[in-house]
This record gives sequence, structure tokens and C-alpha cells, in this order.
Amino acid sequence: SQQGEEDPQALSIQEGENATMNCSYKTSINNLQWYRQNSGRGLVHLILIRSNEREKHSGRLRVTLDTSKKSSSLLITASRAADTASYFCAPDKAAGNKLTFGGGTRVLVKP
Amino acid sequence: DGGITQSPKYLFRKEGQNVTLSCEQNLNHDAMYWYRQDPGQGLRLIYYSQIVNDFQKGDIAEGYSVSREKKESFPLTVTSAQKNPTAFYLCASSIKGPPGDIQYFGAGTRLSVL
Repeated sequence: SQQGEEDPQALSIQEGENATMNCSYKTSINNLQWYRQNSGRGLVHLILIRSNEREKHSGRLRVTLDTSKKSSSLLITASRAADTASYFCAPDKAAGNKLTFGGGTRVLVKP
Repeated sequence: DGGITQSPKYLFRKEGQNVTLSCEQNLNHDAMYWYRQDPGQGLRLIYYSQIVNDFQKGDIAEGYSVSREKKESFPLTVTSAQKNPTAFYLCASSIKGPPGDIQYFGAGTRLSVL
């Protein structure tokens, strides 16, 4: 499997600040996905970045991918209390493989 | 309303009992998945199916069983052989399976042991 590992495990920030979390993985990938999970709920897909892309934006989210370092980062700008959640990365390898998830980064945005 | 429906939301299992968690999707997706999540942890794959009448074991399949008789349904049975079943169970589906496929998740079933 191709499990991503998120860092830090937990993050606490004030509303309006930026939140950055990182993901490292072990082998070559086709793409990497980020998901959000609100407490006690299912995961929601945020963004997918392909291996030939270096940066991708979606609203207040910015994802980078460095395949030479086997790492990705997720930046949430101008955070809101509603961004309080756990964030998971999911590296995706070759065809036929299954998507696997890391342990997540728990983000707390204080009002 | 399209999506994935998991039921029940809460489930209690007695010692030695098998219980079945339901997962239904109306997204016309080929692939479906079951994950287990323990408190404060990530997701671990139990079983997945990329087509009707076919399924594969994930990383922690022991003590669980599944069936995929219909495209829209992928029930998970937690058997008495699963000695530590207390967890949050999530079902997901995707159009065809990795790579490049986005997964859509249900709201989860929380299973506890009485």
C-alpha cells in the first residue's frame, strides 16, 4: 500500500491565520488527494493533484507537490472556525492499486 | 438526492454475534469500499469491490465479510471472529477505482460492543 504520513498530527490556530500541513509518502505516485473529515462524519474530497503538477488552487486551499522529495503540502488561507476538522492525504499509485489514507492532521481554528 | 447512505448510524453488538452494516449508493459508481477508523486514527481498508460479484481483501479483512450482488449495495458483516469490533465504519464509492478516482463517503456507522 502507499500510505501517506501527515505532519503535524495536530494544529491549533486563530481564525484568520493560515494553516499548513504536510504529507510524505514512500514510492512513486500518479496523483495525490486531500480529504477533510469533520468530527464524527465521513470524508469529503478537497483536491487532487497529479504527479506532473507542482501546485493547485481551489478557493482558499493551495496544494503543492514535490515528487523529488515525495511530499505534498496543504495550505488553508484565512482560516475560519468551520475549517476545524481532520485533514488526510491519500497518495495514489498505479492502476489497480487501492487508495490509502494517512493518520491525518487535526486542525482546530479558534474564533 | 444522490449519495451514499449508511445504516444504521449506531449499532451495538453482543458477544458472539454477527452484525451487518448497510451501504447503498445511487451514484452509479462501479467501485465501493469499506474502511475502519479507530479514535484519533486514520482509515484502514477492510474490503473493496471494483465490479459486481467481485471483491478483494484490504489491509484488515480478518473477521469481516462482504458481498456485492448489486451495483448499488455493498454490505459489510462484522463476524464474531472480529474480537475488537468497536470502531467507526465508513463506506465509500468511486466511479471505477484508482488511479485518479475521487471517493465519496457515507456518514458512517459507529459500532460498539455490549
